[in-house]
Amino acid sequence: DIQMTQSPSSLSASVGDRVTLTCRASQGIRNSLVWYQQRPGKAPKLLLFAASRVQSGVPSRFSGSGSGTDYTLTISSLQPEDAATYYCQQYYNTPPWTFGQGTKVEIK
Amino acid sequence: EVQLVESGGGLVQPGGSLRLSCEASGFAFSGYTMSWVRQAPGTGLEWVSYISNSRSVTIYYADSVKGRFTISRDNVKNSLYLQMNSLRDEDTAVYYCARGVGAVPEYYFDLWGQGTLVTVSS
Repeated sequence: DIQMTQSPSSLSASVGDRVTLTCRASQGIRNSLVWYQQRPGKAPKLLLFAASRVQSGVPSRFSGSGSGTDYTLTISSLQPEDAATYYCQQYYNTPPWTFGQGTKVEIK
Repeated sequence: EVQLVESGGGLVQPGGSLRLSCEASGFAFSGYTMSWVRQAPGTGLEWVSYISNSRSVTIYYADSVKGRFTISRDNVKNSLYLQMNSLRDEDTAVYYCARGVGAVPEYYFDLWGQGTLVTVSS
């Protein structure tokens, strides 16, 4: 199974800050990666797919990049409503579909 | 409104059984593959099971539930099910119903329900 490792496990940043989250796969996954946002007590919400393609309706401040084993999710200008846990998930060489352990983003 | 609504969670003793349901509305349920994903308290997400949308049904299970859980669907009732037997403490989690996008293996989840809590405890 492909293992997904996210870093950091949590971060605290101010409104307006640029924030970068990282996801590393245990083997190359050829951009077969999605990012989800999970607000407290809510279901996950799809943000990006194919590593860098933004899901319809997602604010343009969210972007993704990466290749091979290393991928990033960037929030260009952090907003209060972005307080959430963010998960990456690979869909290369599946099943099983595997998730990272999450990065919790808090607002200072 | 496009949505998934889970039900059937609750408290069950170790070794017991429970059947979860997920009712879909607002989209053509029969045309979509579906999955169950769970989240143990304070932890991350774990895919549990997948069922295809085709007449010749394809089903996958995570190793952690294989032989104990059974996924099924009723396209007439727009519903997805998860029969959980021989439940263990480690099955305690919020169980989400999720709609799939793409074809295996390039498959991920674009719509999630609100989840139903399963607690396995004596």
